[in-house]
Amino acid sequence: AQSVTQLDSQVPVFEEAPVELRCNYSSSVSVYLFWYVQYPNQGLQLLLKYLSGSTLVESINGFEAEFNKSQTSFHLRKPSVHISDTAEYFCAVSDPSGTSYGKLTFGQGTILTVHP
Amino acid sequence: DGGITQSPKYLFRKEGQNVTLSCEQNLNHDAMYWYRQDPGQGLRLIYYSQIVNDFQKGDIAEGYSVSREKKESFPLTVTSAQKNPTAFYLCATQDRGRRKSGNTIYFGEGSWLTVV
Repeated sequence: AQSVTQLDSQVPVFEEAPVELRCNYSSSVSVYLFWYVQYPNQGLQLLLKYLSGSTLVESINGFEAEFNKSQTSFHLRKPSVHISDTAEYFCAVSDPSGTSYGKLTFGQGTILTVHP
Repeated sequence: DGGITQSPKYLFRKEGQNVTLSCEQNLNHDAMYWYRQDPGQGLRLIYYSQIVNDFQKGDIAEGYSVSREKKESFPLTVTSAQKNPTAFYLCATQDRGRRKSGNTIYFGEGSWLTVV
């Protein structure tokens, strides 16, 4: 069975400050890793994903995440946040093989609030 | 306009009544999912379907039912047996034929169900 732990339920930061949203997972097999973002009253949008290859993945809006297999982590970072980054962020993991293929297991979410 | 359409966006139900949430997609994706979202608990999988006329229970299927008679449609019925149905419900799809995309899951805009 897989599980995902997002270590912070809420992260307040000031605009233009750096931010890190932490995500740890547990799995007995290799996994795919995802970060989704959810704005109020909307569905989830894919932010970035790690499937294989380079352990550092980037999104188009300045976020990046690094897959660390030894620490089973996939932390999300941004060097300078904007007010518009205020949202809830979800880390998710899936098993690329077997009968559970395609199903995502989500963390509890981290609410990022950017203050002016 | 392509994508995943959930309706209605807001729905009120009296206790003891069944209610059906609609999910339609024109992405030609094989797999469809229903998740439930509660504050601070992330997303939990209710049901999923990998092909037409087949579906499996997720982690919290009790009190819910689904059908998959067409590839484009995956309605969710919240029955009176669901003891705490007030939540945000998210439908999602996945193109399982595209291995290079990993297990990327795409979400609709969600439906709010409130029991009054």
